[in-house]
Amino acid sequence: EDQVTQSPEALRLQEGESSSLNCSYTVSGLRGLFWYRQDPGKGPEFLFTLYSAGEEKEKERLKATLTKKESFLHITAPKPEDSATYLCAVQRTVDSNYQLIWGAGTKLIIKP
Amino acid sequence: ETGVTQSPTHLIKTRGQQVTLRCSSQSGHNTVSWYQQALGQGPQFIFQYYREEENGRGNFPPRFSGLQFPNYSSELNVNALELDDSALYLCASSSRAGQETQYFGPGTRLLVL
Repeated sequence: EDQVTQSPEALRLQEGESSSLNCSYTVSGLRGLFWYRQDPGKGPEFLFTLYSAGEEKEKERLKATLTKKESFLHITAPKPEDSATYLCAVQRTVDSNYQLIWGAGTKLIIKP
Repeated sequence: ETGVTQSPTHLIKTRGQQVTLRCSSQSGHNTVSWYQQALGQGPQFIFQYYREEENGRGNFPPRFSGLQFPNYSSELNVNALELDDSALYLCASSSRAGQETQYFGPGTRLLVL
């Protein structure tokens, strides 16, 4: 069965303490892997799309990487405003409607 | 450019009632997808609408139904509400050109008592 697993479930960091979030996936054919940020009670906010192993994308303090089995979201010198739940989702080549299959998310808390 | 909007923001219903949630897609987008997100979980795909036709459905019963209008806005209807239908309902819009990035609205929080 195709699935997306994120770890850890929650991560508490001090301001400035860099770390990584993991998204491992098992799908029959990967079209793309997506990272979103979600603040409490709000809709997911798009961050990155990765399409092939070895691809990397950066935005401010965030950098996303992709291998054939997993993706990492690296956060460098985080600030309290980076606190949110980070969601990973995949699109499969078998799905012509580009539906997203999601992980449960990693709740990131950055303490000042 | 106007983003994805949803209404209402919050809703309280009782078991057995019916509810209609609404979504306006982002300018230039003709595809709308609906997701259900239970507390502490990732979203689950309900269905997608493209050119006013259903274009794929997740593992949800027929009491979940939808519509898309000529202006690409959409409705999600849920009949015979159950307690487990309490969730955040998310609408996402996208264009059909190239790779599909879905942009989400703020969601509608539904509580079924």
